Amino acid sequence: DAGVTQSPTHLIKTRGQQVTLRCSPKSGHDTVSWYQQALGQGPQFIFQYYEEEERQRGNFPDRFSGHQFPNYSSELNVNALLLGDSALYLCASSFWGAGNQPQHFGDGTRLSIL
Amino acid sequence: GENVEQHPSTLSVQEGDSAVIKCTYSDSASNYFPWYKQELGKRPQLIIDIRSNVGEKKDQRIAVTLNKTAKHFSLHITETQPEDSAVYLCAASTETGGGNKLTFGTGTQLKVEL
Repeated sequence: DAGVTQSPTHLIKTRGQQVTLRCSPKSGHDTVSWYQQALGQGPQFIFQYYEEEERQRGNFPDRFSGHQFPNYSSELNVNALLLGDSALYLCASSFWGAGNQPQHFGDGTRLSIL
Repeated sequence: GENVEQHPSTLSVQEGDSAVIKCTYSDSASNYFPWYKQELGKRPQLIIDIRSNVGEKKDQRIAVTLNKTAKHFSLHITETQPEDSAVYLCAASTETGGGNKLTFGTGTQLKVEL
């Protein structure tokens, strides 16, 4: 049973560039959430996708956008990268449905901005 | 929005001792409280969770308690072992439609010493 997979594992970019991160959910899951984890901090919610639509969004600027595909996989796009965007980006998958559903995380993508 | 505070930020115990980590939350609508263990460079792993209709839940050496009136919940680890050393993250969640977003604490670095 495949868990949540993310790619790439590491990425180095420079200020002003754009980046795309990818996530495949755990088998059977239909909902994908993205989180940003700065060093020494807890993850912060960016947004959540279900049925190819953004369902909830955290306090992140419009530079952060996403997409979900019919096979439930998802992408996170960040434009006009800033030094402060350096972080571990985590994807979590879950079931959509009544009641809070446990979220299962991938290993993350470590993004470094130079 | 929801705010989760977590204490202590670091905790050092002797092998075999118990460890307790405490979290408080601000939104009385929160009704799901998961705990994650995150080893260095690895994904957060769900270790136990509790819903607001339950006051306590146990799973072998791990237990979680919830006090809805005081808006705090705690993780208890008994008979600690070196492999328990990791960062522990608490989170609170409110269901919105069929989805939910997790608001995390800042994490507790637990070190179990021989």
